Amino acid sequence: DTGVSQNPRHKITKRGQNVTFRCDPISEHNRLYWYRQTLGQGPEFLTYFQNEAQLEKSRLLSDRFSAERPKGSFSTLEIQRTEQGDSAMYLCASSALGDTQYFGPGTRLTVL
Amino acid sequence: RKEVEQDPGPFNVPEGATVAFNCTYSNSASQSFFWYRQDCRKEPKLLMSVYSSGNEDGRFTAQLNRASQYISLLIRDSKLSDSATYLCVVNRGTNAGKSTFGDGTTLTVKP
Repeated sequence: DTGVSQNPRHKITKRGQNVTFRCDPISEHNRLYWYRQTLGQGPEFLTYFQNEAQLEKSRLLSDRFSAERPKGSFSTLEIQRTEQGDSAMYLCASSALGDTQYFGPGTRLTVL
Repeated sequence: RKEVEQDPGPFNVPEGATVAFNCTYSNSASQSFFWYRQDCRKEPKLLMSVYSSGNEDGRFTAQLNRASQYISLLIRDSKLSDSATYLCVVNRGTNAGKSTFGDGTTLTVKP
């Protein structure tokens, strides 16, 4: 399977804990995006990378959120001191230069 | 007001019906537009890009009206398998990173 992969697929954590998600993009894609989606809403943009450079971050992304893409391949999204409001599906997408984004299956986070 | 707005529906139609969804966007500088399809508890998947001249892919037709800042999706001869949420997506530029999604329109096609 050469699509976008995300791990883990599900994460249950207690409030206050830190969590980290991983995204492996399609190998030839140099852009990688993170979105958050809650029930009944469309995906909300969080941040995106072109190669290893983080080019834009949403104002939605508080100081508790950080994303990295150290070698321009896979990316990690870390949430520190999780809150119940962080419960959502976290989606990763990748694209070549241009706009068509291909999404991974997402990581569903539940904060108890 | 949201940057991209869609009628949430739900649209419940019989098989074989024609159904149309509209989407409006507020940023007049937006350059590229898409429709994605999302099945329940799955990731969004690209359905089609939307070009200024309009474009068709089988039973699906997308139109763009820049003057009124809306795009539309027409589905002809609906199939049961068309049941899904349809997401309107707007980008600021043809090579811009950030995509803005609408909240989706839910379609249920019934036998």
